[in-house]
Amino acid sequence: GQNIDQPTEMTATEGAIVQINCTYQTSGFNGLFWYQQHAGEAPTFLSYNVLDGLEEKGRFSSFLSRSKGYSYLLLKELQMKDSASYLCAVMDSNYQLIWGAGTKLIIKP
Amino acid sequence: DVKVTQSSRYLVKRTGEKVFLECVQDMDHENMFWYRQDPGLGLRLIYFSYDVKMKEKGDIPEGYSVSREKKERFSLILESASTNQTSMYLCASSRYRDSYNSPLHFGNGTRLTVT
Repeated sequence: GQNIDQPTEMTATEGAIVQINCTYQTSGFNGLFWYQQHAGEAPTFLSYNVLDGLEEKGRFSSFLSRSKGYSYLLLKELQMKDSASYLCAVMDSNYQLIWGAGTKLIIKP
Repeated sequence: DVKVTQSSRYLVKRTGEKVFLECVQDMDHENMFWYRQDPGLGLRLIYFSYDVKMKEKGDIPEGYSVSREKKERFSLILESASTNQTSMYLCASSRYRDSYNSPLHFGNGTRLTVT
């Protein structure tokens, strides 16, 4: 079967760095997405990786290793507004998205 | 910016009622999707559509149907609401079919409670 695993909850301190991991087993691979979802709001697109390596976008970076079925989202200089759930999703060979359950990130002052 | 609008933010319905959830997108996207989101579970795909009058079953279509009469509008129908359909329903759209780098744009969700 297809499976996406990510931690349920993480806590970090304002100003620090946090890494949210995502491992996957899917039927084929056409890329991995990260979305951010604040409580009570819609998910919003953060990043897309299809090739191995690190993609950087300001304070956020996303890494992919296809051979290991592994990705992480790195958040630097954490701000209180980064408190949200972070959703990992993989696009399989049929261009269907398989979603993880999400990681709730709590930022403490 | 793409705007995906869901007609209701909160709905309370009784068991057995027929429920309509409406979704409209304003960017001429080809693809539209209906998901439900429940605590501890990933987003689960109910139905999707790649074109007008076209629909495909997702992972959990039982108890639901959809309609796409116009490109911009995608409706989710609960034929006879049941308590296990209490959930957050999210509509989404994306630009291209079979495109690996076509992120989803989500509406703000409809929180449906069935009593």
